[in-house]
Amino acid sequence: EADIYQTPRYLVIGTGKKITLECSQTMGHDKMYWYQQDPGMELHLIHYSYGVNSTEKGDLSSESTVSRIRTEHFPLTLESARPSHTSQYLCASSEWGTEQYFGPGTRLTVT
Amino acid sequence: SQKIEQNSEALNIQEGKTATLTCNYTNYSPAYLQWYRQDPGRGPVFLLLIRENEKEKRKERLKVTFDTTLKQSLFHITASQPADSATYLCALVTGNQFYFGTGTSLTVIP
Repeated sequence: EADIYQTPRYLVIGTGKKITLECSQTMGHDKMYWYQQDPGMELHLIHYSYGVNSTEKGDLSSESTVSRIRTEHFPLTLESARPSHTSQYLCASSEWGTEQYFGPGTRLTVT
Repeated sequence: SQKIEQNSEALNIQEGKTATLTCNYTNYSPAYLQWYRQDPGRGPVFLLLIRENEKEKRKERLKVTFDTTLKQSLFHITASQPADSATYLCALVTGNQFYFGTGTSLTVIP
């Protein structure tokens, strides 16, 4: 079992609310990622980080933001949630050039 | 960017048979290719990695092949079991970029 954690696991929230999805890993990995995945669909990379104070946008444009102040922590924030943000959000980490370890995911529903 | 195609149809096989899943890609060859298993509502779990200069890799009942001429990887599960039922994703890695396929749903029927 990988040492990467996401909270909350499930979140139902109203439109316009600000939310932060938490992701932490205890493996000391420099690289961390956020993916969005709808049921039966592929993973879409929305943000990634190569290390502390490094953040980049992925292939899928997103209205979310991320920060990387500590190696182990990579939170994702939505300033104003909308129904179109309803999805599963997966966090992952890796060493350079190796496999990714995924967290259990956060299932977000915006009403 | 890379386009990755996996078996679009779900795969149903009888227990004990060999399951073969396909991953095709376009454009340039990746440095290496990975296979993951994903169960419903959970994150993917890494299974195997194969590099561009390797033809075949094995791990217990799993076997992966990589043909850079055909731009294709095949993933085999021998002596399949109902517990192998899941979605299997291939991922291409080039430099620091990971590109995931949509996955193939496998059901092993007892």
